[in-house]
Amino acid sequence: QLQLQESGPGLVKPSETLSLTCTVSGASISSTSHYWAWIRQSPGEALEWIGSVFYGGNAYYNPSLKSRVTLSVDTSKNQFSLWLSSVTAADTAVYFCARRAYSGTYVSFDLWGQGSLVTVSS
Amino acid sequence: SSELTQDPAVSVALGQTVRITCQGDILRTYYASWYQQKPGQAPLLLIYGQNNRPSGIPDRFSGSRSGNTASLNITGAQAEDEADYYCNSRDNNGNHYVLFGGGTKLTVL
Repeated sequence: QLQLQESGPGLVKPSETLSLTCTVSGASISSTSHYWAWIRQSPGEALEWIGSVFYGGNAYYNPSLKSRVTLSVDTSKNQFSLWLSSVTAADTAVYFCARRAYSGTYVSFDLWGQGSLVTVSS
Repeated sequence: SSELTQDPAVSVALGQTVRITCQGDILRTYYASWYQQKPGQAPLLLIYGQNNRPSGIPDRFSGSRSGNTASLNITGAQAEDEADYYCNSRDNNGNHYVLFGGGTKLTVL
């Protein structure tokens, strides 16, 4: 069954690095037709795109987070990962991993993980 | 940078038709995609491209575009359609940057 599943710590201390992994099941992360993305949602707020990564390693980041974010892909494990450094309480959010179909005329995320709540607190 | 603007809240009577809009200059060039999100759930893709629905999405959901405004139309709204709706599109800074609208809370009366 095609699905994405986030995993990682639910609690991170301020100034430390948040790390999450998304495991892809039922599809190959080496697809040439898809990017793999992280999107977050702070409590009561809108969705915010964090970044997208291609299986070859090319990554694209939200300019507002670019200095603190790194995305990577592990094709051997069919996983991709997020690292967000120097976190503050403002980074408390539900983090979703998602699959993005490649298109020249639109962006769509057609498959989502269930989301992982990460709280930044000492 | 570009922005996508949505009305914070919209209401519709059960069985009636409602339009949820998303405004942004980037929409003159690129199509919006639309998502439905219910409390505690991940977003669900409803519409992408010119007016395409993924498998399993009811045909009461449709999309359109006019100028800088994209619209999600729900024809014959059902109680289960009460949810938050988000639009998204590409950013004009490049092929890979992504924007989301602020979301619209739909209430079905």
